[in-house]
Amino acid sequence: EAGVAQSPRYKIIEKRQSVAFWCNPISGHATLYWYQQILGQGPKLLIQFQNNGVVDDSQLPKDRFSAERLKGVDSTLKIQPAKLEDSAVYLCASSIGTGTTYEQYFGPGTRLTVT
Amino acid sequence: GENVEQHPSTLSVQEGDSAVIKCTYSDSASNYFPWYKQELGKRPQLIIDIRSNVGEKKDQRIAVTLNKTAKHFSLHITETQPEDSAVYFCAASTRGSTLGRLYFGRGTQLTVWP
Repeated sequence: EAGVAQSPRYKIIEKRQSVAFWCNPISGHATLYWYQQILGQGPKLLIQFQNNGVVDDSQLPKDRFSAERLKGVDSTLKIQPAKLEDSAVYLCASSIGTGTTYEQYFGPGTRLTVT
Repeated sequence: GENVEQHPSTLSVQEGDSAVIKCTYSDSASNYFPWYKQELGKRPQLIIDIRSNVGEKKDQRIAVTLNKTAKHFSLHITETQPEDSAVYFCAASTRGSTLGRLYFGRGTQLTVWP
């Protein structure tokens, strides 16, 4: 089966600019996650969707980050305006359902560099 | 929320030796503990997981043990091979089967020398 797709793979922007990342989960997967992975650290959950509804966004810096999952399939994560500390790999993952019964499959990530 | 500590941060072993990576967690409600392998520039991939009703699980050269009382779990890789070289992440889920949110450790860079 096709895996989780993400684009772009790399992005370099200046601080205070805006950027958007796109994720296409595995077909049929109802749950979608966005993680931030700073160099040398493990992934940190930013937001979790169940279909097109948000179930957990407690770690999302809502003053600058936003995400949506229209129609319950693809998702977009936006940062506006970007800060230097936003430099990281942004990973999208999906699973068939919500809960620890279901394995999370990760995409290749988008490496963001903010200068 | 949950806090997962992982040690060591780097580990070098000779091919054929065993490697052990240890993690501790803080929330006694956590009941699901997966391990991910991330090769350089690639996506994390699940290699093994364990639930709190099981003390040990094995899959070929990989095994995971869980001590709920002490709140720690470990990954054991036997007969290591150069292709085992990667960053390994442990994780814990504090919501049980409700939301599946994972809290990750900081990772262990494993290097296997031929």
